[in-house]
Amino acid sequence: EIVLTQSPGTLSLSPGERATLSCRVSQTVSNDYLAWYQQKRGQPPRLLIYGASFRATGIPDKFSGSGSGTDFTLTISRLEPEDSAVYFCQHHSLSFTFGPGTKVDIK
Amino acid sequence: EVQLVESGGGLVQPGGSLRLSCAASGFTFSDHAMHWVRQAPGKSPEYVSSIGKSGDTYYINAVKGRFTVSRDNSKNTLYLQMGSLKPEDMAVYYCVRRYNAYDYWGQGTLVTVSS
Repeated sequence: EIVLTQSPGTLSLSPGERATLSCRVSQTVSNDYLAWYQQKRGQPPRLLIYGASFRATGIPDKFSGSGSGTDFTLTISRLEPEDSAVYFCQHHSLSFTFGPGTKVDIK
Repeated sequence: EVQLVESGGGLVQPGGSLRLSCAASGFTFSDHAMHWVRQAPGKSPEYVSSIGKSGDTYYINAVKGRFTVSRDNSKNTLYLQMGSLKPEDMAVYYCVRRYNAYDYWGQGTLVTVSS
């Protein structure tokens, strides 16, 4: 069973700062099948990054993904209040398992 | 514009049944694998079931034997027949297109299992 662990659980930052979110996978992710999603309250998740580092259609370049193997990172630069959300990572193959999420608060 | 619109959720007693539907538009439905993903309140999303372009089906162990996924490509519609529902099945159920991960999601339909 593939398990995804995300850290930190909550991140509180100010507008203009940079957020660094971590996702660790219990097994090596083949072909970098690692995705990141943003979910705002009352909305479905929105795909930000797939294949560890490829931005989805329409996603601004302030969102970037990196990593390989078992350790992956989502970086959000130039934070704005609208970036407040929960961010999930997912192994988008085989089990399609999601991580528990990181809540990002922008004050 | 890609659109996925779920329907069929509601309140059902434990042991009951529901049939969810997902109407797809804005893309060639038959060219894509489609997934059902659920999310319980305050929890992360959970893959439930999927159906490939050729009709191959997959389920998580928790719903195997109780849920059936199907598709009607002539109607551009995805279905999830849910039976023997349990309180732990209560969640928002999303219809999702799989292409470069889950690139499009519906707004979801709420399934409440309670007596």
